[in-house]
Amino acid sequence: GQNIDQPTEMTATEGAIVQINCTYQTSGFNGLFWYQQHAGEAPTFLSYNVLDGLEEKGRFSSFLSRSKGYSYLLLKELQMKDSASYLCAVRDRAGGSYIPTFGRGTSLIVHP
Amino acid sequence: DTAVSQTPKYLVTQMGNDKSIKCEQNLGHDTMYWYKQDSKKFLKIMFSYNNKELIINETVPNRFSPKSPDKAHLNLHINSLELGDSAVYFCASSQGISGLGSYNEQFFGPGTRLTVL
Repeated sequence: GQNIDQPTEMTATEGAIVQINCTYQTSGFNGLFWYQQHAGEAPTFLSYNVLDGLEEKGRFSSFLSRSKGYSYLLLKELQMKDSASYLCAVRDRAGGSYIPTFGRGTSLIVHP
Repeated sequence: DTAVSQTPKYLVTQMGNDKSIKCEQNLGHDTMYWYKQDSKKFLKIMFSYNNKELIINETVPNRFSPKSPDKAHLNLHINSLELGDSAVYFCASSQGISGLGSYNEQFFGPGTRLTVL
């Protein structure tokens, strides 16, 4: 299986930029996802990387380096509503299952 | 226009009881999943079905039995409930499973909060 590591908690100020890192180990890498989960709600899809480089989507960007087993999610112009848990998930084709495995999530607190 | 729905949203029950959680998706997806999210918010895969066939069954007690009557439904039945089963259970679906030509990202239901007393 995968070994996925993310910081447990981060804090940032409204209007600032924050970078949430994710490192992983996998034998059959087949894509990396970032999901956002507000308290008491379901995870929702934010971004997907399967090739190296940066994917930009509005205020959110995600970066992947497959050789380093590393990704980050970059959130710009932070808003209070960005306070949530951010989950990194890695899909592995080993065994043919292709099931994403989730990290433990990073709880982001945005304060005024 | 609900995409992935689960019932019930809350379930409070006594130890030893048997209960079921239902999940339906109207996205036309081929793959459905059950995840358990514990008090530490760790989202752990339990089961995955592709076109009504089980493709993954992580190490979960055999008290948990998934059933997929058709591609749009994946229900979870739990026998002899234990205190440690208390968690939020999420159903999810995706168009397919692999990353070939498509993200195949997962769409999650609202979750079922199970409390075992």
